[in-house]
Amino acid sequence: GAVVSQHPSRVICKSGTSVKIECRSLDFQATTMFWYRQFPKQSLMLMATSNEGSKATYEQGVEKDKFLINHASLTLSTLTVTSAHPEDSSFYICSAAMGTEDGYTFGSGTRLTVV
Amino acid sequence: QKEVEQDPGPLSVPEGAIVSLNCTYSNSAFQYFMWYRQYSRKGPELLMYTYSSGNKEDGRFTAQVDKSSKYISLFIRDSQPSDSATYLCAMKSGGSNYKLTFGKGTLLTVNP
Repeated sequence: GAVVSQHPSRVICKSGTSVKIECRSLDFQATTMFWYRQFPKQSLMLMATSNEGSKATYEQGVEKDKFLINHASLTLSTLTVTSAHPEDSSFYICSAAMGTEDGYTFGSGTRLTVV
Repeated sequence: QKEVEQDPGPLSVPEGAIVSLNCTYSNSAFQYFMWYRQYSRKGPELLMYTYSSGNKEDGRFTAQVDKSSKYISLFIRDSQPSDSATYLCAMKSGGSNYKLTFGKGTLLTVNP
């Protein structure tokens, strides 16, 4: 079945630094990927929709300059948290769809801790 | 009214029980329905994907969709302790570039 690989699984960084999270579709091409944020015991909150070769579409309230998304190829999308602060600490998850008639496959998530 | 309503539970059942999880929705444009299982600190795992009213079965799992009532269900037969997780319903109105709308998730514990 479809596999989405997400790295790193866990990262700790200092306040003010930037962190890059990678999301790869391993056995299929994904023209669209999605980035979510999840707080403890809450559902997933969509941050942005990443489209290959074009700018990402951000949800209302999500700072596009803080959460930089790049979808340079059909198998790779990256999320960079710039100038991270402790309030950015969260669980970030990406997902992608194989095709129109398929459900979405999720990555294993990245736990970001900003100290 | 939220687009997707899901009872957050928690739901606790004995091993071997039949579990029923439900979601209601208000947006009649939703055409594709999914159920995900999420273990703590992991990404959601797709369990079932349906796009028509009726039942779809896969092993111990049965997904049911009633578009006329805007109601979807997931049934788990012979529940196991390994089924203990949060179950999320999700739905969308279009193809692969359409975003999902999630329910809040139901926390299920299956006791041995």
